[in-house]
Amino acid sequence: DAKTTQPPSMDCAEGRAANLPCNHSTISGNEYVYWYRQIHSQGPQYIIHGLKNNETNEMASLIITEDRKSSTLILPHATLRDTAVYYCIVRGNTGNQFYFGTGTSLTVIP
Amino acid sequence: DADVTQTPRNRITKTGKRIMLECSQTKGHDRMYWYRQDPGLGLRLIYYSFDVKDINKGEISDGYSVSRQAQAKFSLSLESAIPNQTALYFCATKDRGGTDTQYFGPGTRLTVL
Repeated sequence: DAKTTQPPSMDCAEGRAANLPCNHSTISGNEYVYWYRQIHSQGPQYIIHGLKNNETNEMASLIITEDRKSSTLILPHATLRDTAVYYCIVRGNTGNQFYFGTGTSLTVIP
Repeated sequence: DADVTQTPRNRITKTGKRIMLECSQTKGHDRMYWYRQDPGLGLRLIYYSFDVKDINKGEISDGYSVSRQAQAKFSLSLESAIPNQTALYFCATKDRGGTDTQYFGPGTRLTVL
């Protein structure tokens, strides 16, 4: 599974868009990009995933660059409840575990 | 009701004691996983199971054992707990087909004194 690089922490003003970057320069053709978040020691929560096209759901949007070497998770209108650690994970469907790494700690500021 | 539940939610025990953590799911998923998380670190896989009676070691299985007697239940045992097994433990489930989305339980905070 490809490794990912994320900034350790970010701040975002409440109501503004939060843009969380992730680098995955060694991603291979059959590997998906997954995003999870963990709110203060709760179980990780699935947010979104994608292969090559941009994706959007009720929680967030995922923008994957054309070369697939990086992606950005966008929370369009961040709220205080979005304060969490966000994990970017790259893996293929034949893998057995998620390597969560240390993620990005997002703090939404009132 | 939560789809993935874990019991107990918190447990304090002493070195050398046997401890069992339980995970139950109502999602009907075939695959179940046990992870541990240490402060400031990501999750690490302990064991996983693709079906009843199927057991596979993960990254850090030493000192742990598991049992999958039913599709909906996956239990993790510490035969003789030691202090460095103090951690947050998460169970997760995944459907056999489709993408690789895993669904996590709320976690069990275990302290070994």
